[in-house]
Amino acid sequence: SQKIEQNSEALNIQEGKTATLTCNYTNYSPAYLQWYRQDPGRGPVFLLLIRENEKEKRKERLKVTFDTTLKQSLFHITASQPADSATYLCAPSNTGGFKTIFGAGTRLFVKA
Amino acid sequence: SAVISQKPSRDICQRGTSLTIQCQVDSQVTMMFWYRQQPGQSLTLIATANQGSEATYESGFVIDKFPISRPNLTFSTLTVSNMSPEDSSIYLCSVKTGGYDEQYFGPGTRLTVT
Repeated sequence: SQKIEQNSEALNIQEGKTATLTCNYTNYSPAYLQWYRQDPGRGPVFLLLIRENEKEKRKERLKVTFDTTLKQSLFHITASQPADSATYLCAPSNTGGFKTIFGAGTRLFVKA
Repeated sequence: SAVISQKPSRDICQRGTSLTIQCQVDSQVTMMFWYRQQPGQSLTLIATANQGSEATYESGFVIDKFPISRPNLTFSTLTVSNMSPEDSSIYLCSVKTGGYDEQYFGPGTRLTVT
């Protein structure tokens, strides 16, 4: 069955450092992959989408990579700030992309 | 983008009763989805709400328990029927504007069943 794995343990980093979150998937070949941010008590907010033919995508301090051979995506936040503290969800989608399945998420804490 | 509102934002219900959650979108959208998020867990897709036809349910979810209506392209309801404490969760409405677009989420409805 399709499986999405994200670091289950929280990631604690110091302000100003780069946070790197990992998303691995098995048993399917997504046409694209999305990353979302979720704050406690709120719905997820879309951050970035990367397609299977793209190796890397950037948006301000965010960078996503997508390695279809390794079946992995990495999500980087550079110059991290305490306001970046949240849960980050990975969501690979199959061709057709009519529905999106989410990973369990990784909780990020950025300490001042 | 799309702005989504949900009603109610939270509710406490007794077991055996039903609750209907409303989802309103500020623009016409083709695809609308209902998710559940239990405490500390990720989102689980309940169903895809189809305009003018029956919803498409994911494995483990059935229409009798979670009936869904979608009368037009901006509105949907999810009913949680015959509730039990296991139904305590956050229920989220979500939309896509096209097959490959990002999803937008409502603020969620926090349901507690006692």
